[in-house]
Amino acid sequence: GAGVSQSPSNKVTEKGKDVELRCDPISGHTALYWYRQSLGQGLEFLIYFQGNSAPDKSGLPSDRFSAERTGGSVSTLTIQRTQQEDSAVYLCASSLEPNTGELFFGEGSRLTVL
Amino acid sequence: RKEVEQDPGPFNVPEGATVAFNCTYSNSASQSFFWYRQDCRKEPKLLMSVYSSGNEDGRFTAQLNRASQYISLLIRDSKLSDSATYLCVVNMANKFYFGSGTKLNVKP
Repeated sequence: GAGVSQSPSNKVTEKGKDVELRCDPISGHTALYWYRQSLGQGLEFLIYFQGNSAPDKSGLPSDRFSAERTGGSVSTLTIQRTQQEDSAVYLCASSLEPNTGELFFGEGSRLTVL
Repeated sequence: RKEVEQDPGPFNVPEGATVAFNCTYSNSASQSFFWYRQDCRKEPKLLMSVYSSGNEDGRFTAQLNRASQYISLLIRDSKLSDSATYLCVVNMANKFYFGSGTKLNVKP
């Protein structure tokens, strides 16, 4: 499809395991964003990419979180040694340019850490 | 202090009512402003951008007051399908900051 694609849509893991979440943005979109949304809460900014560079990583909650983007396209968010408080929906969005208004979101990856 | 603050609601209104949501932002250097809509267990989608001169899109009117760092959204003639959470969004330095949302329930 032409939209932002995220996988997996659902992930259940045990505390202490590592997880990888993938985002495939809309083709040609230079900016890519990761957000986290806990149940009933707002969106928490994690990181954004302009091309393959991440000018701002300040939103990453801890050093267990990392993200990369390759080829100006696909991005992977990795959470090491998962904790129960990492349980949330991880949303990826892309936009044509970093300062334009329309963020197109994927459907999210719902992570549950047992 | 959060970058964007909204009244969480919920706002419970009858069909046909007019309802207004407000939002304040903390950083005067913020550059652009938006309202997004999020349906239950779905991803957010852009509703409209907000301009200093105010702008209207059908039943929806958005206003920005830079001096007061305040953004509003007015919905006229509410429909059942307007029931959702409305997110105030501010862009600063290429980062989009989201408010925690205002929930609207439109009742028959």
